[in-house]
Amino acid sequence: GQQLNQSPQSMFIQEGEDVSMNCTSSSIFNTWLWYKQDPGEGPVLLIALYKAGELTSNGRLTAQFGITRKDSFLNISASIPSDVGIYFCAGHRNNDMRFGAGTRLTVKP
Amino acid sequence: EADIYQTPRYLVIGTGKKITLECSQTMGHDKMYWYQQDPGMELHLIHYSYGVNSTEKGDLSSESTVSRIRTEHFPLTLESARPSHTSQYLCASSETGDLNIQYFGAGTRLSVL
Repeated sequence: GQQLNQSPQSMFIQEGEDVSMNCTSSSIFNTWLWYKQDPGEGPVLLIALYKAGELTSNGRLTAQFGITRKDSFLNISASIPSDVGIYFCAGHRNNDMRFGAGTRLTVKP
Repeated sequence: EADIYQTPRYLVIGTGKKITLECSQTMGHDKMYWYQQDPGMELHLIHYSYGVNSTEKGDLSSESTVSRIRTEHFPLTLESARPSHTSQYLCASSETGDLNIQYFGAGTRLSVL
């Protein structure tokens, strides 16, 4: 099945820097979700987006549901060491959930 | 905080053994899922269930089987484990309806020697 195109694949940043990652698809989705996965653990939901154009924040995280419904981005402001992990986007449509391949974030103190 | 539990967390077994990975959720969700994930890689759906006595195969072909006799329980079984089955297995559940947020367990990391 079709997966989402998530970029970048990995990022190495300095503590305090802002981070941006995005997810695109050739198909329309009704819901966009962003998850974070720590090593050896399951993904944990960060933000859920339900409407085109919606901009939602969760602390230092901000995510947007693209106006075309084919993309979404996640921003992390003022990164800290505990932001390290893999971030996955997911799009949902008609009982079908698709995941991106993940963005691996490394934060250097 | 999601109430979905997987056991064991880690399992190392020899080739040819039969194993069952347990997954239980206390949220009353109708939908449950099994994903296979190599370390740091994307998630691949191998099985899903929309309710009791309902099971379907996912996008990635798998030699494992699942059962859904009770709403809260969705075990995954490998009749004869092989080294190619070495991976992390993640269980998830979601409500019925449009929102369909999937909540994940902590995973079982399986190593077959």
